[in-house]
Amino acid sequence: KQEVTQIPAALSVPEGENLVLNCSFTDSAIYNLQWFRQDPGKGLTSLLLIQSSQREQTSGRLNASLDKSSGRSTLYIAASQPGDSATYLCAVFQGGSEKLVFGKGTKLTVNP
Amino acid sequence: NAGVTQTPKFRILKIGQSMTLQCTQDMNHNYMYWYRQDPGMGLKLIYYSVGAGITDKGEVPNGYNVSRSTTEDFPLRLELAAPSQTSVYFCASSYSMARNTEAFFGQGTRLTVV
Repeated sequence: KQEVTQIPAALSVPEGENLVLNCSFTDSAIYNLQWFRQDPGKGLTSLLLIQSSQREQTSGRLNASLDKSSGRSTLYIAASQPGDSATYLCAVFQGGSEKLVFGKGTKLTVNP
Repeated sequence: NAGVTQTPKFRILKIGQSMTLQCTQDMNHNYMYWYRQDPGMGLKLIYYSVGAGITDKGEVPNGYNVSRSTTEDFPLRLELAAPSQTSVYFCASSYSMARNTEAFFGQGTRLTVV
């Protein structure tokens, strides 16, 4: 059974800091990995999708990497801003089962 | 393009009542999913569908039913509501695995069973 773990569960940083969020998964047979952002009381917004054949994807200040063989992904946020405060979730599209399996998320607070 | 639309946004049910959470998408996606999100527990898959007429159970299907008569719609039915079904429910959709594209989520339905 695929399990997705996100560490840390919560992170508080000062504005302007670069930071890394971690995601690990137990079964490397995935189609892709997706990072989402969730604001309080809101739905999930897709940030980045990395296909299983790719090593990284970039969008603005965000960079996501994928090491499928070791079951790890990182989301790098450069020059963090208070508006980045949210919960960040990673999810893997599980091969063979057509399911999207989520981690529990990392709650990020960026202090002005 | 409205994306994934869920209705209602909020609902209070009494124990034993039934209701249907509606989900519709206008992106012609094959795959649709229902998740519930409880505080500190992440998202748990209730049911999913890989196309019209095809549905399958996820991690926590008990107490729920689904149908997929069209590509666009994937309603979730709660029969005999229980306090344990108090949660936020999210519907999502994506293209098939072969398209390898991102999943899109609705804004959620906050359900309280009292």
